[in-house]
Amino acid sequence: QVQLKESGPGLVKSSETLSLTCTVFGASVTSGNYYWSWIRQPPGKALEWIGYIYYNGRTLYNPSLKSRVTMALDTSRNQVSLKQTSVTAADTAVYYCARTTIVTKLLEFWGQGTLVTVSS
Amino acid sequence: QSVLTQPPSISAAPGQKVTISCSGGSSNIGNNYVSWFQQLPGTAPQVLIYDNDKRPSGIPDRFSASKSGTSATLGITGLQTGDEADYYCATWDNGLVFGGGTKLTVL
Repeated sequence: QVQLKESGPGLVKSSETLSLTCTVFGASVTSGNYYWSWIRQPPGKALEWIGYIYYNGRTLYNPSLKSRVTMALDTSRNQVSLKQTSVTAADTAVYYCARTTIVTKLLEFWGQGTLVTVSS
Repeated sequence: QSVLTQPPSISAAPGQKVTISCSGGSSNIGNNYVSWFQQLPGTAPQVLIYDNDKRPSGIPDRFSASKSGTSATLGITGLQTGDEADYYCATWDNGLVFGGGTKLTVL
């Protein structure tokens, strides 16, 4: 069974860099069948897609976040990482990692999410 | 402001049917497949529908969806109290875009 688990600091200071890791179980991040996405949800608000990374390192980011976001793969640990610079209170959210099957565009597997709070 | 427009809330009684609309444009819904997600309180979203009208295994046929032009609709029949959740539509438009979400209350 595929499982995704996000991890990282729950509290980040304003203007600093948010760093999260998604560990994948039951599937390989080196598979060419999937995109690995990060999606966030501010408290009480809608979902927002941050971007995805493909097995070969190709990325696509949300244009509104592109200048501050970097995603990467650690194939030895089967992990996907997210770095987001210059955070503000508006970046406070639950951050999810999720897997999309490319052929069907089926966003089927999600992590449980991790809450990141940006403090001033 | 979300790219896809959904009604903020909807309510109905147990056993009834509801529909949730999702309106977009030619660059998103008009030229891409639509997915629908259910988010129960305090949990991660779960896909209900993909490719406009397909249900992943394990999703009951009480959930159905359709797409026409630049709009999509999710239908839920035989409402249950356990269906009370937030529902999101999503599609691709230079990346994945979500609707603003619809809160379903089962009275």
